Amino acid sequence: QKEVEQNSGPLSVPEGAIASLNCTYSDRVSQSFFWYRQYSGKSPELIMSIYSNGDKEDGRFTAQLNKASQYVSLLIRDSQPSDSATYLCAVNRNDYKLSFGAGTTVTVRA
Amino acid sequence: DAGITQSPRHKVTETGTPVTLRCHQTENHRYMYWYRQDPGHGLRLIHYSYGVKDTDKGEVSDGYSVSRSKTEDFLLTLESATSSQTSVYFCAAGRAEEKLFFGSGTQLSVL
Repeated sequence: QKEVEQNSGPLSVPEGAIASLNCTYSDRVSQSFFWYRQYSGKSPELIMSIYSNGDKEDGRFTAQLNKASQYVSLLIRDSQPSDSATYLCAVNRNDYKLSFGAGTTVTVRA
Repeated sequence: DAGITQSPRHKVTETGTPVTLRCHQTENHRYMYWYRQDPGHGLRLIHYSYGVKDTDKGEVSDGYSVSRSKTEDFLLTLESATSSQTSVYFCAAGRAEEKLFFGSGTQLSVL
């Protein structure tokens, strides 16, 4: 079983819609959870971090964490063409390492 | 890139040759990482460093070695390159439980 698993995608949504991305992790001791965005041919950049159960909102992005279900999600509201990218879920077990999922590619149709 | 520079940006080499990739950071991060990125696999950790001369293996370390003689430099060496090591290599620095900053990546092709 992979440590971090994501919907393989690709996910295509119309402009203005909500994009919903899901991620599950296998290690119950995981403490920190992240979403990185990666544009084609570029390096990943952090867009959201979440450490406790519940929702965390930042602009059009909402991260949701459920530790009991070992589940993390990212909602992108009012999706824009500039949101077209690959979104990487990442998990830290309170050690030096960050484990990434394979990523979900999102395409926003104008 | 938050002060993280990778070199070279592109490299083509032949099977069996040694290859060294360099990562240089200017932000005095204690922790540095080497990842490789392949389609369908996302980012996989090769090696990481938690201080000068302090390194450890990641999940895909076979065939790779690293060295960190100064805080700002983290080198990744492929001792004898194989075609399976054709990939995009990313260096990162920062704290895994807070935020990692990534370099621009190195596209390595082993023929």
